[in-house]
Amino acid sequence: EAQVTQNPRYLITVTGKKLTVTCSQNMNHEYMSWYRQDPGLGLRQIYYSMNVEVTDKGDVPEGYKVSRKEKRNFPLILESPSPNQTSLYFCASGMLFSSYNSPLHFGNGTRLTVT
Amino acid sequence: AQSVTQLGSHVSVSEGALVLLRCNYSSSVPPYLFWYVQYPNQGLQLLLKYTTGATLVKGINGFEAEFKKSETSFHLTKPSAHMSDAAEYFCAVSFTGNQFYFGTGTSLTVIP
Repeated sequence: EAQVTQNPRYLITVTGKKLTVTCSQNMNHEYMSWYRQDPGLGLRQIYYSMNVEVTDKGDVPEGYKVSRKEKRNFPLILESPSPNQTSLYFCASGMLFSSYNSPLHFGNGTRLTVT
Repeated sequence: AQSVTQLGSHVSVSEGALVLLRCNYSSSVPPYLFWYVQYPNQGLQLLLKYTTGATLVKGINGFEAEFKKSETSFHLTKPSAHMSDAAEYFCAVSFTGNQFYFGTGTSLTVIP
């Protein structure tokens, strides 16, 4: 089954404790991206990657890191989480070069709480 | 700046009534347009996407969207609401294929 898998689904942590949210897709997509969803703000892009070893900042990259060492994986790293990073996070993937109206495929989300 | 606006953060309709969710984009160049639906505790699922040349786009679950270039709009409709349509709906645009911009979402409530 074609899917984007995020782990964990729920995460509660404390300020300053490094964490990683994993994302994996099995559709051989070139494009992967991370979003955060906050009430009243919709989805905002954190980072995106157009291929292996190619990453770029989205609209809200501060406090986050990503890496793309393999095509299927795109982990999101919070080196020193803060309470303002409490949010619902989504990973998404899509075909990039075949058509610009290729839709994104989303994972089920990771709800992060930083206390 | 390129952006997408969804009018109405909450919409309530009676079961069987018309659903109309509004989306406007701001760009001089028509973007690639999408509607996504998010059910509770789930990720976003594609409802439909705009294909160049078509003004009326059909999606899943009986939803349609009409592209109006003159109004820079891509409103989502469904003739008859069902209880299972209760969800959050997001309009999204892409201009370059590497960045997608989402609206702030519209929460649809269906009243029995």
